[in-house]
Amino acid sequence: GAVVSQHPSRVICKSGTSVKIECRSLDFQATTMFWYRQFPKQSLMLMATSNEGSKATYEQGVEKDKFLINHASLTLSTLTVTSAHPEDSSFYICSARDPLWDTQYFGPGTRLTVL
Amino acid sequence: DAKTTQPPSMDCAEGRAANLPCNHSTISGNEYVYWYRQIHSQGPQYIIHGLKNNETNEMASLIITEDRKSSTLILPHATLRDTAVYYCIVRVRNDYKLSFGAGTTVTVRA
Repeated sequence: GAVVSQHPSRVICKSGTSVKIECRSLDFQATTMFWYRQFPKQSLMLMATSNEGSKATYEQGVEKDKFLINHASLTLSTLTVTSAHPEDSSFYICSARDPLWDTQYFGPGTRLTVL
Repeated sequence: DAKTTQPPSMDCAEGRAANLPCNHSTISGNEYVYWYRQIHSQGPQYIIHGLKNNETNEMASLIITEDRKSSTLILPHATLRDTAVYYCIVRVRNDYKLSFGAGTTVTVRA
């Protein structure tokens, strides 16, 4: 299947700092990417849909000023968690839609721990 | 979106076929059935998807009933590495969002 990468795989930061997570589609161009969050023992929750060259669409209850999403190219989307707090600690996963196969492929995830 | 119902857990024997059921009784004609799995602490992995015909690839087979109200994912020869949470998701054709439920925790035992 298609390959989607995320960086970093794990990050630990202090409360109040900002953290940027990158998501790249390595072998296809993705006009649409998605960001999910997963808390322990729970399922994935969609946070936002990222479209190349336009503003992201956020799901209800997700603060757009706290979770900044940029999708500047067809292979890269970034999620910035601003002023992170311990309750933002979670597993963040991106996916990219391959338009050729109409299928979403997921990255390996980023484990964020806010102290 | 149509909702899906999956058993919370299943045990399978290594080397045997694993049959994972999914009910989607309110599915409409423009909705696909997708299957993903998530191995612990990793991102979900795409397995297979279909609209109304049965599908097969190198990983699995997807059997969709004629009325499309249920489907079965078949792993032909389960291995220990197939232990994962399996998600059955119904997706509207022109809405690319995926809504994950609780899935089925599949444990393959030697």
